[in-house]
Amino acid sequence: EAGVTQFPSHSVIEKGQTVTLRCDPISGHDNLYWYRRVMGKEIKFLLHFVKESKQDESGMPNNRFLAERTGGTYSTLKVQPAELEDSGVYFCASSQGRDGRRESGANVLTFGAGSRLTVL
Amino acid sequence: LAKTTQPISMDSYEGQEVNITCSHNNIATNDYITWYQQFPSQGPRFIIQGYKTKVTNEVASLFIPADRKSSTLSLPRVSLSDTAVYYCLVGDMFSGGYNKLIFGAGTRLAVHP
Repeated sequence: EAGVTQFPSHSVIEKGQTVTLRCDPISGHDNLYWYRRVMGKEIKFLLHFVKESKQDESGMPNNRFLAERTGGTYSTLKVQPAELEDSGVYFCASSQGRDGRRESGANVLTFGAGSRLTVL
Repeated sequence: LAKTTQPISMDSYEGQEVNITCSHNNIATNDYITWYQQFPSQGPRFIIQGYKTKVTNEVASLFIPADRKSSTLSLPRVSLSDTAVYYCLVGDMFSGGYNKLIFGAGTRLAVHP
């Protein structure tokens, strides 16, 4: 099966510009997550979609970040306007999710290769 | 939040067994232990997951003592391609606990010829 696909792989923009990152999850995966790693820091959770609904967006840094998942398929993460501190790698992940079924491996995250964002 | 502690780096040679221990003293009853592997320019990749005792798959083994305050990832006979960063994660994956996954710095494993 195809994995999680992210586009673009690398984006270089100037401070104040807008960038939109796209994630195509594994087909049939209801759960979609965004994580990011900024320079020198650890990978941090941003938000979680269940189908088209935002289940948890507690990790979104501020209102310059907007995530959408129209139709419950692919997702976009828009940064507007971009700031220098937004530079980093943005990872998308998806999982099948089987609520209530506590079996090992049942809710494994499959990550994409990431989108590297460089804000100059 | 169940934070994990792992060695920052480890070195090994091809053909050796590598054991990476992770400490998670605050693990909760519903938390599972999951290990991910990450190569440069790639996203983390699932290796193994367990709740207690021992779990083995085609890639690795995971040993979890009775108190579950630590776990050990065992990679048998490593090769150069096992050079990567290994993350130990603890969380309740089944009740919306993904926001609580703390990746930490991971363990950078270098396998030498």
